[in-house]
Amino acid sequence: AQKVTQAQTEISVVEKEDVTLDCVYETRDTTYYLFWYKQPPSGELVFLIRRNSFDEQNEISGRYSWNFQKSTSSFNFTITASQVVDSAVYFCALSASNNAGNMLTFGGGTRLMVKP
Amino acid sequence: DAMVIQNPRYQVTQFGKPVTLSCSQTLNHNVMYWYQQKSSQAPKLLFHYYDKDFNNEADTPDNFQSRRPNTSFCFLDIRSPGLGDAAMYLCATSSGSKILGEQFFGPGTRLTVL
Repeated sequence: AQKVTQAQTEISVVEKEDVTLDCVYETRDTTYYLFWYKQPPSGELVFLIRRNSFDEQNEISGRYSWNFQKSTSSFNFTITASQVVDSAVYFCALSASNNAGNMLTFGGGTRLMVKP
Repeated sequence: DAMVIQNPRYQVTQFGKPVTLSCSQTLNHNVMYWYQQKSSQAPKLLFHYYDKDFNNEADTPDNFQSRRPNTSFCFLDIRSPGLGDAAMYLCATSSGSKILGEQFFGPGTRLTVL
């Protein structure tokens, strides 16, 4: 069985602060993929990043960075110098490689509110 | 731009009156999914099509049906909507490749049941 836990249900920061969203996962598969999606108030889920289980290299994309640590089964997401437009619900998700159809197991989501 | 399109964006129906939500894609992906998302919850998978093969999640109510007449289109039929079916319905697609994996989501249809 697979499970994704996002312990932070809601985070509130002031603009320009850095913020880290936590994600912890459980799976028995040795090959799997981890994802982050952003869901703004408009409702659409926007794909942010995919990481496979063999690639523990951290990634930075502009103000976004991701820290993948297999030893702690975590895939945390940091936004540097947050902006009001970052306000959204963020979902971490897991897909095992033996899934036909790339089934996603979602975490419960973290609502990020960035105040001006 | 290649994308996943859902119509309508907002749908209002009456208790017990059948309703159909539609999804189309220009990505030529062979897998299409329907999710139900209630307020402050994660999306819940209802079913998916891998090409023409229909896969129902075990806990999806019989009230929910789906059709995929061709690669590009997929429909969600709710035969007798109840108040508890009010939610955002998200359509997604993926290539089915075990290497790629990510799902691409449409903007969703918000269903209100009166």
